[in-house]
This record gives sequence, structure tokens and C-alpha cells, in this order.
Amino acid sequence: KAGVTQTPRYLIKTRGQQVTLSCSPISGHRSVSWYQQTPGQGLQFLFEYFSETQRNKGNFPGRFSGRQFSNSRSEMNVSTLELGDSALYLCASSLERNEKLFFGSGTQLSVL
Amino acid sequence: QQQVKQSPQSLIVQKGGISIINCAYENTAFDYFPWYQQFPGKGPALLIAIRPDVSEKKEGRFTISFNKSAKQFSLHIMDSQPGDSATYFCAATPHIDKIIFGKGTRLHILP
Repeated sequence: KAGVTQTPRYLIKTRGQQVTLSCSPISGHRSVSWYQQTPGQGLQFLFEYFSETQRNKGNFPGRFSGRQFSNSRSEMNVSTLELGDSALYLCASSLERNEKLFFGSGTQLSVL
Repeated sequence: QQQVKQSPQSLIVQKGGISIINCAYENTAFDYFPWYQQFPGKGPALLIAIRPDVSEKKEGRFTISFNKSAKQFSLHIMDSQPGDSATYFCAATPHIDKIIFGKGTRLHILP
């Protein structure tokens, strides 16, 4: 069974630009969640989608948005990038909510 | 109330020793407590998890000890090996809400 796939693996953007990250969950998993990982803050929850509906949202500004498609694939968008958005963005999928999360290897975003 | 406090931030243990990482929480609604292991360049992977109706769970060299009254739980790695060197995250969730992660512990096992 293929694992969680995130693309691209690395991304370099400049301030003010926008970026879209993609996540393909494990086949059969309908829950997809996104996390921001930084050295100082650890793993911070962004949002969770289940059957194309956002079920939960973390404490991030509206510049961070996401969506889920009918095939469970998910995208995350960050608009008007700021230097502080530089981080590893991780996607995780699961069968049941919040249990046994399977993470992808992440997208390393650098904002210059 | 939504925080999970993890300590220590970093830990160095001799090969064959016991590694201990501690976490504390406030929210009594939390009902699932997993530990994740992350190697450099990889996403976290579920290591072991416990529910509050048991005080201990063991899987191989890894044990979770859970103290419901103190609202604390810890990960013990017995006979620590260099291959255990990684970052460990504790987490907690009330199941119907978002999962909350600790800030992580960087573990280094000396050969």
C-alpha cells in the first residue's frame, strides 16, 4: 500500500507570493489533516478535512486555507507569504479521526 | 488547557540505557495519548498509544506509563539503541477535536 505522498518536496518562494501544496492520502483514508512544523513550535495543527468537509481548524490566519477533493486528495494554499511561513508542512491521513495518523515526508517551504 | 507540555527538550543516553520522556496535560477531555517518532527528512510515525483506562502499555522496548490523577504520561525506551536516535512527540486528543502535540524531544543515543 502506497504511503502518504506530498508534493513538491521543496519549495522556495518570495514574500507576497502564494503557494499551493498537495497531499495524496493512503488509499481508503478519508481524513486528511495538515500541520506546520518549525524548530521552535513543534507540530501545529492547521486543519482537518473529511469527505470534502473541513471538520476542524487550528489557530492560523485566513491566509492559510485548504480543500479536499472527492478522491480524498487535499491541497493547502498559503496566500501573501510572509518570512515566518517558512516551515515544514506535513500532511497526515487516517481512517479514524485523530487516531493512527500516517504522515507524509512533508513539503519544506522557504520564504525569502 | 489545550497545551501538552513535553520535557526534556533534548536527551542524551548511553547505549543500553533507559530513555524517559515526560508529558503533562490539563484538559481532562483528552482520551487518546499517542507517541510519534520522527527521523530527519521523514514525517512522524506512530510509535505507541494509550487510552486513560489503563496505566501502562508495552510494545517491545517501548512502554507508556499513564497517571490519570496527575495528568501525566511518559515514554520509556528500554535498552536504548543508536537507531532510536530521533525526535519524539507526545500528543493528546479528545477524539472529537484536534490533536495537540508536545514540542518534541530530540533523543540521541551514544554508541
